[in-house]
Amino acid sequence: KNEVEQSPQNLTAQEGEFITINCSYSVGISALHWLQQHPGGGIVSLFMLSSGKKKHGRLIATINIQEKHSSLHITASHPRDSAVYICAVISATNKLIFGTGTLLAVQP
Amino acid sequence: DSGVTQTPKHLITATGQRVTLRCSPRSGDLSVYWYQQSLDQGLQFLIQYYNGEERAKGNILERFSAQQFPDLHSELNLSSLELGDSALYFCASSSGGQSWSYNEQFFGPGTRLTVL
Repeated sequence: KNEVEQSPQNLTAQEGEFITINCSYSVGISALHWLQQHPGGGIVSLFMLSSGKKKHGRLIATINIQEKHSSLHITASHPRDSAVYICAVISATNKLIFGTGTLLAVQP
Repeated sequence: DSGVTQTPKHLITATGQRVTLRCSPRSGDLSVYWYQQSLDQGLQFLIQYYNGEERAKGNILERFSAQQFPDLHSELNLSSLELGDSALYFCASSSGGQSWSYNEQFFGPGTRLTVL
């Protein structure tokens, strides 16, 4: 079993829908990152979280340290949100562990 | 545009060969990170340099090595290449030297390595 699991692996949504991507981890962590990888391959760091909730535009990231779970929400989704979303955790032993990613396709 | 540049964009080579990938960080960033993304293993952290010194090591093979020069650009050297080394290699930079817990990273566009 992977130390960082993402669900779903693939997600297709209609433009305007509210989207949730989940990340569960089995190790103690000091922080969690959400990354976005565009179809061309470029990677952008979206959020860095160690507790609570962060919001940037239509993106919201939450983390529950006790439940070892984080969610990335996209409100009013748009085709330009189509990408792979990757969760990465920094373990308490300072090891960086990536999830396998969620492929999101938003259809017009 | 993240401000991080990587060259070359694409590289095709044969098994057993040696290649060098180059990364220039954002202006003012002292840390450079290297990552490998392959189809079967996903993203993996390889190594971090901060102001010329190795700061953290991940799943980097002994056949791979990196260095950061006084002008802060970094090179990743891959030798005795195998078919399984075919992957996208990303570099990222950040301002601080601490781990991912504290610093946002800015990624370059990647170098796609194909080993035939």
